[in-house]
Amino acid sequence: GESVGLHLPTLSVQEGDNSIINCAYSNSASDYFIWYKQESGKGPQFIIDIRSNMDKRQGQRVTVLLNKTVKHLSLQIAATQPGDSAVYFCAENIQGAQKLVFGQGTRLTINP
Amino acid sequence: DAGVIQSPRHEVTEMGQEVTLRCKPISGHNSLFWYRQTMMRGLELLIYFNNNVPIDDSGMPEDRFSAKMPNASFSTLKIQPSEPRDSAVYFCASTRAGWGYEQYFGPGTRLTVT
Repeated sequence: GESVGLHLPTLSVQEGDNSIINCAYSNSASDYFIWYKQESGKGPQFIIDIRSNMDKRQGQRVTVLLNKTVKHLSLQIAATQPGDSAVYFCAENIQGAQKLVFGQGTRLTINP
Repeated sequence: DAGVIQSPRHEVTEMGQEVTLRCKPISGHNSLFWYRQTMMRGLELLIYFNNNVPIDDSGMPEDRFSAKMPNASFSTLKIQPSEPRDSAVYFCASTRAGWGYEQYFGPGTRLTVT
């Protein structure tokens, strides 16, 4: 499987329930944020992104919320399915730095 | 669309040997990134290129690591000499611009140095 942090936060939800994964970012100058999903043995896969001039963006079954006041980002997954089990990473782009800085990740487990 | 291609997928080598990891970005992408993922440090950016030019190599651990991008469709990450602490999964990613766009990751190369 993938190599992730030893003390990776874990979230367990029942299949069909909604899940919320949280992320605190570090730099108030960050202007772009992105969520990735990483399944075992694979590279991170893009889920959804949001720019700092927005506070909400929706995709298919996913919603990202951005609270710049408290530097908090969340990913909501509706009606979770077994295939949603993975490690989820948030990443921020610091304006002018031209690169993404990744968080430690959260492991989401879907219980049948 | 073949996506980002990395080779080899797995590499096992002995300490002191030279290791070369390869990456082919998505056609049309002009930025390429090399990452390392470990249990202890998570996903770290090592170096990135814009239009084949190295822009930021501040994440490269030490002089044993080097990366090149001779053309828009190929990049290498070399470790010489390799050490056991280099064991990790190495990812290559590409995107259409220097920032603000999603990066597409390859499947990774799992490196084990014994």
